[in-house]
Amino acid sequence: GAVVSQHPSRVICKSGTSVKIECRSLDFQATTMFWYRQFPKQSLMLMATSNEGSKATYEQGVEKDKFLINHASLTLSTLTVTSAHPEDSSFYICSARDVSNSPLHFGNGTRLTVT
Amino acid sequence: GDSVTQMEGPVTLSEEAFLTINCTYTATGYPSLFWYVQYPGEGLQLLLKATKADDKGSNKGFEATYRKETTSFHLEKGSVQVSDSAVYFCALSERDSGYSTLTFGKGTMLLVSP
Repeated sequence: GAVVSQHPSRVICKSGTSVKIECRSLDFQATTMFWYRQFPKQSLMLMATSNEGSKATYEQGVEKDKFLINHASLTLSTLTVTSAHPEDSSFYICSARDVSNSPLHFGNGTRLTVT
Repeated sequence: GDSVTQMEGPVTLSEEAFLTINCTYTATGYPSLFWYVQYPGEGLQLLLKATKADDKGSNKGFEATYRKETTSFHLEKGSVQVSDSAVYFCALSERDSGYSTLTFGKGTMLLVSP
């Protein structure tokens, strides 16, 4: 079945540095990928919708300059957390679908800890 | 806006016990409803779904019925196994969004002991 690979699974970085998270669709092409964030004991919150070849669409309250999304190809989307701060520590997860209205396939998530 | 409320966990059961995880929703339109499961160290996987009222989704012994009158989509399993230990997320997707985005509940952790 369709597989979404997310890398890295865990990352620890110092405050002020930037971190890039990759989301790859391994055996299908994904024109659209989604990025979610989950705080402890909270829901997964949609951050942005990543469209191949165009700018991402951010949800209200998500800083586009802080969370840079690039969807340069049909199999890769990246999320870069710029100038990370401890409050950015969270679980980030991506998803993608291969055709319209098919189920979403999720990556395994990335645990970001900013010290 | 749309929202999903599910019971807080963890839910702790013995093997072969009956499972119910409650889920209720609010939506402006006519959503599709989903249950996702996240096993330890893995990503979310679709467990089952229902797209219209009175539909029953089922998979791996789990069932959930789309109840429009009570805006609920409770997850049930007659006899749980240790391998069912995971976090379960209830979610909805609006038709108006082209079913492109999901609104999730907070997740309910299930712990099944032998």
